[in-house]
Amino acid sequence: EVQLVESGGGLVQPGGSLRLSCAASGFTFSSYWMHWVRQVPGKGLVWVSVSNSDGSTSSYADSVKGRFTVSRDNARNTLYLQMNSLRGDDTAVYYCVRGGVSRPNWFDPWGQGTLVTVSS
Amino acid sequence: DIQMTQSPSSLSASVGDRVTISCRASQSISIHLSWYQQKPGKAPKRLIYSASSLQSGVPSRFSGSGSATDFTLTISNLQPEDFATYYCLQSFDTPPTFGQGTKVEIE
Repeated sequence: EVQLVESGGGLVQPGGSLRLSCAASGFTFSSYWMHWVRQVPGKGLVWVSVSNSDGSTSSYADSVKGRFTVSRDNARNTLYLQMNSLRGDDTAVYYCVRGGVSRPNWFDPWGQGTLVTVSS
Repeated sequence: DIQMTQSPSSLSASVGDRVTISCRASQSISIHLSWYQQKPGKAPKRLIYSASSLQSGVPSRFSGSGSATDFTLTISNLQPEDFATYYCLQSFDTPPTFGQGTKVEIE
């Protein structure tokens, strides 16, 4: 069974940093593109970032470009999102989502999400 | 960025009803459109991909149609477990973009 389990969320002050992790199992992690998508509680879904299968290529939403960095450790089957210079509008549930092998924009399945709260 | 306009933003329906949700893209996206169901406190679950392909394990009362800029999700014979929020997603271009969601509520 394919599983994605996010961790690392929590309360952080504005300007602070946080690193999210997504542990993958049940599939050949190193073959897949992987995404981060976020959702402000009670609001819609917003794409954040994507990493290609070997981590050599990534892309970001304009709202996080220069502040967030996606990376992965294929030996540990884990995707990361390093979030720096956090702001109040970064408060959201962050989901890890599997992409495709040859098609990056293939969003299935999703992890259960981890909540990041940016507040003083 | 490609804008996805979903309508309605909410609707009330009864068990057994047929429900239709629309999604319009700001430019042609071919059939690179998927639909997701989200229940409170849960992650989104894919129902339809490539505009009309039913995800494995999803009941056949869910169907999708459309191409280019206009797409539709139809739920026939609405069941109690179908009350949720539904999102469309275009995967034609980066950044991938979601519709704003349609909340299906009990009438």
